[in-house]
Amino acid sequence: AQTVTQSQPEMSVQEAETVTLSCTYDTSESNYYLFWYKQPPSRQMILVIRQEAYKQQNATENRFSVNFQKAAKSFSLKISDSQLGDTAMYFCAFSALGYQLIWGAGTKLIIKP
Amino acid sequence: DTAVSQTPKYLVTQMGNDKSIKCEQNLGHDTMYWYKQDSKKFLKIMFSYNNKELIINETVPNRFSPKSPDKAHLNLHINSLELGDSAVYFCASSQDWYSGNTIYFGEGSWLTVV
Repeated sequence: AQTVTQSQPEMSVQEAETVTLSCTYDTSESNYYLFWYKQPPSRQMILVIRQEAYKQQNATENRFSVNFQKAAKSFSLKISDSQLGDTAMYFCAFSALGYQLIWGAGTKLIIKP
Repeated sequence: DTAVSQTPKYLVTQMGNDKSIKCEQNLGHDTMYWYKQDSKKFLKIMFSYNNKELIINETVPNRFSPKSPDKAHLNLHINSLELGDSAVYFCASSQDWYSGNTIYFGEGSWLTVV
């Protein structure tokens, strides 16, 4: 069975600092996709970043980047120069062919001014 | 133009009532979903439709009945509402049901049963 674990229920950092959110997963599949979604207080779920497992290169989107370690089954999200608007719940998710999207429990990130 | 829109955004109703939540997507996607997010923020898939056909039907009380009149619409009807049904319900869509597709979410419908 596929599982996704986010071990940090809550984190807080000062504005402009860099923060890393951890995500580990378990699968026997070799081809899969990983996602980070953000849910701000407005509640809407927004895609932050998507990674294809067969790609070695870590995905980046502006201040957001991932550290994808396939052998370790780790998919952490790094937010550089954090901003107040980054305050949100962050969900890690896993998808493999034939399986529905599996979600982690989420990490609540608070950016302090 | 909102890509995935759902109505109503807020709904307060009494136990035992029947209510519906409507969802529409204008992305041209083939697959639509209903998710439930409980008070602990845990996301759970309820249903998924691909081209109007039900493809995922998780363990959900049969008081919940989805209906997809066409591939751009997926509605959720809930009969005999219970206190435990209080949650945020998200409609979502993706290009198709294959893995790897980004799922686009609506803004959520916050249901409170009193």
